[in-house]
Amino acid sequence: EIVMTQSPATLSVSPGERATLSCRTSQSVSSNFAWYQQKPGQAPRLLIYGAFTRATGIPARFSGSGSGAEFTLTISSLQPEDFAVYYCQQYSNWPRTFGQGTKVEIK
Amino acid sequence: EVQVVESGGGLVQPGGSLRLSCAASGFTFNTYGMGWVRQAPGKGLECVSAISGGSDKIFYADSVKGRFTISRDNSKNTLYLQMNSLRAEDTAVYYCARTGPLYFDNWGQGTLVTVSS
Repeated sequence: EIVMTQSPATLSVSPGERATLSCRTSQSVSSNFAWYQQKPGQAPRLLIYGAFTRATGIPARFSGSGSGAEFTLTISSLQPEDFAVYYCQQYSNWPRTFGQGTKVEIK
Repeated sequence: EVQVVESGGGLVQPGGSLRLSCAASGFTFNTYGMGWVRQAPGKGLECVSAISGGSDKIFYADSVKGRFTISRDNSKNTLYLQMNSLRAEDTAVYYCARTGPLYFDNWGQGTLVTVSS
């Protein structure tokens, strides 16, 4: 099983600032990698797939980078609606595995 | 508009059974894989099972293998998860999600399964 490690666990950021979230995989997953956003009481929402491709309707302030075993999600200028938990996921191997999540909170 | 709607959750005693359903609309159901992802209270996400469009490929997490069975009826655009021998640790919100084609691109709102005496 591929283990996903996200950092930090919690990120405190002021509105308008940049947020950088990281995810490391225990072995290379090439670009078979996605990011999801989850707000309280809601289902996760796909943000990024293929490591850097934004899903339909996702604003340009969200960007993904990386390949192999190290990935980054950057939110260029945090909006009030961006405060949420973010999960990374690999889809290179079964089982599909998720990171433990990074909570982005208001500073 | 793509929609997936789960149903069938509820309270069940340890050792009991439950069947979840997921009704899909807005896309050609038999051309997409589907999966079930669960989230225990206050915890992260776990993919418990997935099935290809033609039901020829099926995956189960080790935690549910032998107890859960995934299936689909393409004539009814519906995905199922039969859950037997339920345990307290199966308590979670169960999400139905479309795999498009490898990642989960559309999710339902989830159905809560509580296993407790």
